[in-house]
Amino acid sequence: GESVGLHLPTLSVQEGDNSIINCAYSNSASDYFIWYKQESGKGPQFIIDIRSNMDKRQGQRVTVLLNKTVKHLSLQIAATQPGDSAVYFCAEKGAGKSTFGDGTTLTVKP
Amino acid sequence: KAGVTQTPRYLIKTRGQQVTLSCSPISGHRSVSWYQQTPGQGLQFLFEYFSETQRNKGNFPGRFSGRQFSNSRSEMNVSTLELGDSALYLCASSLGGGLDKNIQYFGAGTRLSVL
Repeated sequence: GESVGLHLPTLSVQEGDNSIINCAYSNSASDYFIWYKQESGKGPQFIIDIRSNMDKRQGQRVTVLLNKTVKHLSLQIAATQPGDSAVYFCAEKGAGKSTFGDGTTLTVKP
Repeated sequence: KAGVTQTPRYLIKTRGQQVTLSCSPISGHRSVSWYQQTPGQGLQFLFEYFSETQRNKGNFPGRFSGRQFSNSRSEMNVSTLELGDSALYLCASSLGGGLDKNIQYFGAGTRLSVL
């Protein structure tokens, strides 16, 4: 079956630094990927998505990179802020469902 | 526009009981998906409803069921509760339709504790 995984369960960065969160997926047929942020006591919140015909997409302070050759995607957060502290999930979106990775807990130190 | 609303926020049940959770999607969204979130298994897909029909189903036992009403509101039911059913149950809605690469918007979840 398909699976989506993240390389590191936790990541700690200094406020103002850039953060990079990685994710590997196994389904080579996946064509749509999403990054979610989940804060304590809340449901996952959409951050950014990318389709398989792209290798990079930028949002506000966030960039997602997709490497289909090695089935890897990453989320880069520029100038990380305390409000970025949360659990980050990558997900592969198929028809009607998303397959989520295990999540990386990002802690931002002041 | 109101977000996805899940009720109740917290539930405590005992083994063997059944439970019904409710989800009101964002207005205009026709697809509702349910997920189970636990520390050990992460986010696991339960099922998806679109226009009152179950369109996709995950790998959960038949004790887990759901339905969707004509106004797109959805309920999920878990019968004969087991301790391992303790989890955060999340509902997500999207516009749905077509290839369904629409963004899913999640509710805050219902925290179910089975004693």
